[in-house]
Amino acid sequence: DSGVTQTPKHLITATGQRVTLRCSPRSGDLSVYWYQQSLDQGLQFLIQYYNGEERAKGNILERFSAQQFPDLHSELNLSSLELGDSALYFCASSVDLAGGLTGELFFGEGSRLTVL
Amino acid sequence: GNSVTQMEGPVTLSEEAFLTINCTYTATGYPSLFWYVQYPGEGLQLLLKATKADDKGSNKGFEATYRKETTSFHLEKGSVQVSDSAVYFCALSELGQGGKLIFGQGTELSVKP
Repeated sequence: DSGVTQTPKHLITATGQRVTLRCSPRSGDLSVYWYQQSLDQGLQFLIQYYNGEERAKGNILERFSAQQFPDLHSELNLSSLELGDSALYFCASSVDLAGGLTGELFFGEGSRLTVL
Repeated sequence: GNSVTQMEGPVTLSEEAFLTINCTYTATGYPSLFWYVQYPGEGLQLLLKATKADDKGSNKGFEATYRKETTSFHLEKGSVQVSDSAVYFCALSELGQGGKLIFGQGTELSVKP
């Protein structure tokens, strides 16, 4: 158990809909990262937050947005969903801003999104 | 930009066989390198890491050496077990990039008894 909690574990929805994925980082971790894992694109970095502020942005679509709340949990909002958005969405957390430099990212089990 | 390339899978081995999973990277600076493992139905876990050239990371019988001259970080294990069946990801992180990891495509390993 990594200590990172993601909900929901599975989500099935229709094209055009909007969903929200939630992540609770490990206790004490200030950085939250979102990744998308799909068969054709592999594991793609979407966005990073540190203590409530956006710190890095990757290949995140404009239809997607995220935020980190004062209690440090984070939400990833996906709107106007398309079939191609079907993927496993991972949240990871680290103690500090440089978590990746030490490799100490702790991943949740992911939220599997299926868009029909 | 920075990128990581791994050998394609799936890789199927018999128990006690020798494992090599190739990983090469492209980076503008001097990245830290990692191997993560994803067991079925779970999130990724850090397996080992190396933060500078010629460093060797090791854990659970797995090893990888940071080779700057060949920009490689190949994963090896002398004798695999059925329990090693998983997907293995090579990754890099670079100073000034906010701590995010860039992952390779992943290599699925299946070990048969």
